[in-house]
Amino acid sequence: LAKTTQPISMDSYEGQEVNITCSHNNIATNDYITWYQQFPSQGPRFIIQGYKTKVTNEVASLFIPADRKSSTLSLPRVSLSDTAVYYCLRWLKTIFGAGTRLFVKA
Amino acid sequence: NAGVTQTPKFQVLKTGQSMTLQCAQDMNHEYMSWYRQDPGMGLRLIHYSVGAGITDQGEVPNGYNVSRSTTEDFPLRLLSAAPSQTSVYFCASSYSAGQGGSPLHFGNGTRLTVT
Repeated sequence: LAKTTQPISMDSYEGQEVNITCSHNNIATNDYITWYQQFPSQGPRFIIQGYKTKVTNEVASLFIPADRKSSTLSLPRVSLSDTAVYYCLRWLKTIFGAGTRLFVKA
Repeated sequence: NAGVTQTPKFQVLKTGQSMTLQCAQDMNHEYMSWYRQDPGMGLRLIHYSVGAGITDQGEVPNGYNVSRSTTEDFPLRLLSAAPSQTSVYFCASSYSAGQGGSPLHFGNGTRLTVT
């Protein structure tokens, strides 16, 4: 199955930068890497996607090395409202992994 | 622009009953999919569709049927509800199934309890 591997949970403090890494060893040539955020009782929400190198938008950056076997989501200066579950997804049957539960403390 | 709309938001069924969860999108998306999410768990893919008239199984298809007669609608049918199907169900859509650059748009979910 095309599942990804992420840390189960991470803790951080407000104002810190958080990096969440995802492993996808069997990534296919035309797969994109996409990251989603999910709050309790809501559907996942798209954050960022990329194919290789670095992508940045107004909320996050995504780093993908040349071999594309992993990717790192970077959240600059997190706040309490960033407490959520973060999923990385490679585009193959859109199968999600278990996600990373990020808890931001004051 | 409604996006992905799921109905109902809540449903209680008795074991053995059948029902259909509705999903509609107004973005002319080719790709649609159904997930279930159990408490504290990630999302598991039930069925998906890459276009009208085309459906395929995901990770956990047993006990569920789907059809895609139109681009807009992708209903999920529970044939004979079981307590193990108690979960939150999410429908999602994407512009294109063939390319990886199309993010998924999710509905707000249907919370199903089977007693």
